[in-house]
Amino acid sequence: AQKVTQAQTEISVVEKEDVTLDCVYETRDTTYYLFWYKQPPSGELVFLIRRNSFDEQNEISGRYSWNFQKSTSSFNFTITASQVVDSAVYFCALNAVNDYKLSFGAGTTVTVRA
Amino acid sequence: GAGVSQSPSNKVTEKGKDVELRCDPISGHTALYWYRQSLGQGLEFLIYFQGNSAPDKSGLPSDRFSAERTGGSVSTLTIQRTQQEDSAVYLCASSLGAVTTDTQYFGPGTRLTVL
Repeated sequence: AQKVTQAQTEISVVEKEDVTLDCVYETRDTTYYLFWYKQPPSGELVFLIRRNSFDEQNEISGRYSWNFQKSTSSFNFTITASQVVDSAVYFCALNAVNDYKLSFGAGTTVTVRA
Repeated sequence: GAGVSQSPSNKVTEKGKDVELRCDPISGHTALYWYRQSLGQGLEFLIYFQGNSAPDKSGLPSDRFSAERTGGSVSTLTIQRTQQEDSAVYLCASSLGAVTTDTQYFGPGTRLTVL
């Protein structure tokens, strides 16, 4: 069974501050994929990133960056210089190769104040 | 191209009535998933369709829930004799289906309210 924990329920920051979202996962599978999704107030889950368990390189996409550390089973997400449009609920999820359903964390609500 | 679409966007029904929720996946995606998002339970997997294979219904919470996928494309999730605890947002997703870990792309969801 897979488990994803997002310990932070809510984070509130002022615009231009950096914010880091924690994600810790558990799985017995050696091959798996990790995902981050964004859910803005409109409700649709928007795909942000997919990373496989064999690729521990950090990734940067614009103001977003991800830090994958297999040793600590963590896949953290940082938004640099946050903007009001970043306000949303962010979900971390895991998909083991022998499964197909996504196991989601509880989500972290990010509020960016102007 | 067009993303996953779902209808209706909102549905209000009375306890005991049946409801049908529709999902139109991304063209060319062979895998289709239904999830439920509720306050107390977070995001839960309900059912999975892959091509012409028998669906995995292991996540359906009761026999009042059923789903079908016609012609390998559009899917309908049916809830019979709705209960108040069925109130939630029902999300549909689709993926290429080439491998089990292909990225799942989600629709906007149907918000179901059972009075």
